[in-house]
Amino acid sequence: DTAVSQTPKYLVTQMGNDKSIKCEQNLGHDTMYWYKQDSKKFLKIMFSYNNKELIINETVPNRFSPKSPDKAHLNLHINSLELGDSAVYFCASSLGGSRGTDTQYFGPGTRLTVL
Amino acid sequence: DAKTTQPPSMDCAEGRAANLPCNHSTISGNEYVYWYRQIHSQGPQYIIHGLKNNETNEMASLIITEDRKSSTLILPHATLRDTAVYYCIVRGIGGSNYKLTFGKGTLLTVNP
Repeated sequence: DTAVSQTPKYLVTQMGNDKSIKCEQNLGHDTMYWYKQDSKKFLKIMFSYNNKELIINETVPNRFSPKSPDKAHLNLHINSLELGDSAVYFCASSLGGSRGTDTQYFGPGTRLTVL
Repeated sequence: DAKTTQPPSMDCAEGRAANLPCNHSTISGNEYVYWYRQIHSQGPQYIIHGLKNNETNEMASLIITEDRKSSTLILPHATLRDTAVYYCIVRGIGGSNYKLTFGKGTLLTVNP
């Protein structure tokens, strides 16, 4: 009964391939996020969806396309993978809304390695 | 979002209190102070947040100075499992403030 789950946990692939990472939350939250943590350990927001609607897109290359089939799922599809895409990707969710007290809950992460 | 400054690392003896400082001198009136931590290879974990009053929960206490320009996270009885990177984040309300802006954080090492 994990709150925020991601699959796969590890993903190793070749440059130029297309891959997807899935995220699901069972908290009944309206808002979901994708963060990227690079090799220097900096955590940065990539996207945020509120009720399946994109609300944050932080200058991420358009090779990255989030898809939210319903408010419990936010998947990340990456086209034409590059070496620099190697990182740990974290999904998160929160109740959403314009509340300063909105707490985000993170998934366990997906470690992507591009060879 | 206001910027925060934290020491890069701190040590604490097991069983003692760990006091982690954070400076946020440019914080504005409607911005909250949040603390998260990241244990090695895991997703960030929410600890506590506050606006201007001191806060306490089952994990920690948060002390915010009266001028709100700094705060301290207190883990009252640190254990080895509290070894992690602790992030102090200042976050406003609404719009793009949905996101959390992580800095470098403080690596807390709890020693036996």
